[in-house]
Amino acid sequence: GAVVSQHPSRVICKSGTSVKIECRSLDFQATTMFWYRQFPKQSLMLMATSNEGSKATYEQGVEKDKFLINHASLTLSTLTVTSAHPEDSSFYICSAQYQETQYFGPGTRLLVL
Amino acid sequence: DQQVKQNSPSLSVQEGRISILNCDYTNSMFDYFLWYKKYPAEGPTFLISISSIKDKNEDGRFTVFLNKSAKHLSLHIVPSQPGDSAVYFCAAQFSGTYKYIFGTGTRLKVLA
Repeated sequence: GAVVSQHPSRVICKSGTSVKIECRSLDFQATTMFWYRQFPKQSLMLMATSNEGSKATYEQGVEKDKFLINHASLTLSTLTVTSAHPEDSSFYICSAQYQETQYFGPGTRLLVL
Repeated sequence: DQQVKQNSPSLSVQEGRISILNCDYTNSMFDYFLWYKKYPAEGPTFLISISSIKDKNEDGRFTVFLNKSAKHLSLHIVPSQPGDSAVYFCAAQFSGTYKYIFGTGTRLKVLA
């Protein structure tokens, strides 16, 4: 149980385009989901907390207009990287809260050329 | 300001021996702690957790110890197996929230 999926697993896009990443809880409903970013050989940095039916809460230093988060249902949250630039290239990971624990998706590797 | 630290970036252990991974934190508002295992290009996998009201939690080969006065927790894996080779992250949760702060990770290599 507590399985979280992410799609796509990897994406390459041109600078200036937008990319949408989906995070789904497959066997449970998640009121709260989280989006993280991980740079090579570094820790997971929380970007935002996504609550179903309300606006996301962004961490300090994360541009909300750059990283649009939508949590329209209890099983789906999306992260859209708008007008992507090479510095947005990273590994993006979502998690979903189930009882007392966050369960993570497999991650999405984004490369912006 | 790194509120959760794992001071050992890597650790090598012989198969069958004990692996001890350490984690220190600075914020006394953390009340729940977790350990995750992560392979490259994959999401973290939950291993074990502990509430701040406990000092030990055990699950099979994995035991987590919490020393609140020292703001220190550790993960013991015994016996260690080659399949345990991965990066291990500790995470701390703020009281009253679901928000985690992750440590910097320790790469464990279990040698056959």
